[in-house]
Amino acid sequence: AQSVTQPDIHITVSEGASLELRCNYSYGATPYLFWYVQSPGQGLQLLLKYFSGDTLVQGIKGFEAEFKRSQSSFNLRKPSVHWSDAAEYFCAVMGYSSASKIIFGSGTRLSIRP
Amino acid sequence: DVKVTQSSRYLVKRTGEKVFLECVQDMDHENMFWYRQDPGLGLRLIYFSYDVKMKEKGDIPEGYSVSREKKERFSLILESASTNQTSMYLCASGGAGGNTDTQYFGPGTRLTVL
Repeated sequence: AQSVTQPDIHITVSEGASLELRCNYSYGATPYLFWYVQSPGQGLQLLLKYFSGDTLVQGIKGFEAEFKRSQSSFNLRKPSVHWSDAAEYFCAVMGYSSASKIIFGSGTRLSIRP
Repeated sequence: DVKVTQSSRYLVKRTGEKVFLECVQDMDHENMFWYRQDPGLGLRLIYFSYDVKMKEKGDIPEGYSVSREKKERFSLILESASTNQTSMYLCASGGAGGNTDTQYFGPGTRLTVL
């Protein structure tokens, strides 16, 4: 079955420290891959997406993610976090066919320590 | 910028009431989606629509129905609200596989059923 796993429910990092949020997926073929961010009380905003090509994808707000086919992973990284990055982050996958739906992970809540 | 708006940010209803959640998008997207978001479960797809008057069940359609009479508007209907439908409801419009588009989300409606 298709699924997305975000193994970390809650992560706390210090402001200025580096960040890596993990995402593993289970899918029949290489899917489209996404990271979304949700600030408190807000809807989801797309951070970045991978469809094909370079496996290191740059997104907004200084985030990047690397697709590793051999590990079925799409981890999100940021070299130096800011207090405004505190939010919930969702990894998602989508297939190529017109009937495909987006499957979301359960989310990772990021807290920033001053 | 894509704009997806939802009719209410907060809604309180009583058990058994009929509830309408409205979603409007301004980007002429073919595809629209309704999700519910619950802690620890991420986003789960309730219904989606690929075109006017067309609808498809998502993963958790029970207790819900939808209406898409115009391309820009997608309504979620709770025929007889129950307490287990207390949740955050997110509408999205955009892509659904087979293209490089993505989904854009509204701010969400937090529904409480008493």
